[in-house]
Amino acid sequence: ELKVEQNPLFLSMQEGKNYTIYCNYSTTSDRLYWYRQDPGKSLESLFVLLSNGAVKQEGRLMASLDTKARLSTLHITAAVHDLSATYFCAVAANQAGTALIFGKGTTLSVSS
Amino acid sequence: GAVVSQHPSRVICKSGTSVKIECRSLDFQATTMFWYRQFPKQSLMLMATSNEGSKATYEQGVEKDKFLINHASLTLSTLTVTSAHPEDSSFYICSARGTYAEQYFGPGTRLTVT
Repeated sequence: ELKVEQNPLFLSMQEGKNYTIYCNYSTTSDRLYWYRQDPGKSLESLFVLLSNGAVKQEGRLMASLDTKARLSTLHITAAVHDLSATYFCAVAANQAGTALIFGKGTTLSVSS
Repeated sequence: GAVVSQHPSRVICKSGTSVKIECRSLDFQATTMFWYRQFPKQSLMLMATSNEGSKATYEQGVEKDKFLINHASLTLSTLTVTSAHPEDSSFYICSARGTYAEQYFGPGTRLTVT
């Protein structure tokens, strides 16, 4: 059974600081996703990582994937208040890459 | 980008009644759609996989007779919560699988059963 673990679950940051969210998964998968969710809203797609060593960046967020270690990271650079949200990683449940298994989410709060 | 809509966005119903939630892919065809449930401050839990023209595949612990899924066309999947109870109150989110690796999520439906 595929399990996805994120840490930390809660993260309080000051503006301007850097931090990393970690996502570990238990079995082989060929794709990993990062999503953002604002309160009361659905999911916003941030990144899709498809191969070992993949690195993608958008603004202050950068995601990477190490399939050998079964680890993905979401790095936040110089945090700003607008980044406050809950971030989920999700892993495709099987080789066909269909249903997603989600981590518990990391709730990020950025304060000045 | 691809858009997935859900209707209604919010619904309040009385205990014992049934509620239907629609999930539509607006500008692409989706042979596979997924239904997730999210309780407050928790993650998304996969309920079932909906395949066009065939029966849905339910995750362990999800009652197929209570959560009826129909995927009658390449752009529409419906989830009907039958005989709803307060414990069914949740945020229901559908997603549609794109051509390649992407998944597109709908805006969600907040169900409140009184």
